Amino acid sequence: DSGVTQTPKHLITATGQRVTLRCSPRSGDLSVYWYQQSLDQGLQFLIQYYNGEERAKGNILERFSAQQFPDLHSELNLSSLELGDSALYFCASSALTAIGGYTFGSGTRLTVV
Amino acid sequence: SQQGEEDPQALSIQEGENATMNCSYKTSINNLQWYRQNSGRGLVHLILIRSNEREKHSGRLRVTLDTSKKSSSLLITASRAADTASYFCATARTLTGTASKLTFGTGTRLQVTL
Repeated sequence: DSGVTQTPKHLITATGQRVTLRCSPRSGDLSVYWYQQSLDQGLQFLIQYYNGEERAKGNILERFSAQQFPDLHSELNLSSLELGDSALYFCASSALTAIGGYTFGSGTRLTVV
Repeated sequence: SQQGEEDPQALSIQEGENATMNCSYKTSINNLQWYRQNSGRGLVHLILIRSNEREKHSGRLRVTLDTSKKSSSLLITASRAADTASYFCATARTLTGTASKLTFGTGTRLQVTL
């Protein structure tokens, strides 16, 4: 157990639908990062939150959004889902910035059918 | 977009042999990190080397960094079957204040056979 908890582990949904992925960071970590891993794109950075505020954005689609709540857990919302959104979605946390290593959760496998 | 390119894409060795993976990157960095991923699982942080360091060791791992060539290598000595996994390099940049970005390479798939 890495200390980063992601739910659900698996999700199967239809095109056009909306889903929410949840992440609880390691205790004490203020930064949360979301990554998408697919076979053709590899590991892509989506977005970073620090203590409730958005700090950095990567290749996140406009159909996707995220937020970090006062208790530091984070949610990634994916809407108008397409087949190509099928991927592993990882959440990671760190104490401050990338000065140290990230702790990754075990991921949510999203399948869009 | 991928910051790092890793070489080789796949590596198959026998238990007890050493495994070397290389990583090249494009922009300036604060540090470079290596992660391991077992099939379909989360990534595990292995080792971090800062931009002003040239070599670092951790157990059976040895990492080198050449910032002039924008390249790094990971050496796993005396490999074991349990080392079978994908290995990723990741370059870290602090953007502003608390904003940071960790960009992953394409990964090397390591297979260690008995």
